[in-house]
Amino acid sequence: GESVGLHLPTLSVQEGDNSIINCAYSNSASDYFIWYKQESGKGPQFIIDIRSNMDKRQGQRVTVLLNKTVKHLSLQIAATQPGDSAVYFCAETPYSSASKIIFGSGTRLSIRP
Amino acid sequence: DADVTQTPRNRITKTGKRIMLECSQTKGHDRMYWYRQDPGLGLQLIYYSFDVKDINKGEISDGYSVSRQAQAKFSLSLESAIPNQTALYFCATSDSRQGWSNEQFFGPGTRLTVL
Repeated sequence: GESVGLHLPTLSVQEGDNSIINCAYSNSASDYFIWYKQESGKGPQFIIDIRSNMDKRQGQRVTVLLNKTVKHLSLQIAATQPGDSAVYFCAETPYSSASKIIFGSGTRLSIRP
Repeated sequence: DADVTQTPRNRITKTGKRIMLECSQTKGHDRMYWYRQDPGLGLQLIYYSFDVKDINKGEISDGYSVSRQAQAKFSLSLESAIPNQTALYFCATSDSRQGWSNEQFFGPGTRLTVL
């Protein structure tokens, strides 16, 4: 069946270090992937997205890597800051179909001072 | 995101009551969505609308209905609330003109408790 899973439900990182959050997907038809950040008490906030014809995309302090061979997606956050503390969700979709957006259950990222 | 507002922010109701959750946006986006989030889980799509005359069911539409009163307004109704509809509800918007990206902008959420 279709699923978007996360390898680790929680991740603790030293402030200033890089964070890597992983995500596995099972639907080969998915061609668009999104990372969202959700801070406590707030709605999800878009971080970065990537299409299946890419293997890497960079934003400000964030990089998303896509490995279609093993159906794996990762979010890298450089120089992690206290403000990065949140739950991070990956989501997949055939971009032409909003009805097939599938969200993972999330990884909670905590920052050690 | 202040451009997407939801009312009420919190609501406690009883089983069998009719509840309406409102969503308004000033972003000028044509697409709007309603999601449900249960504790420790991701979001599940309830309904979505690509324009005022377009309404589509998501993966968990049973027990819910929606109304797109205008491009800027999208309401979610629970005709007869039940306890397992206790959850956090999010409205989101997106712009069909943003090319291949399907970035969605979320409201702050409505916490609904059904007793």
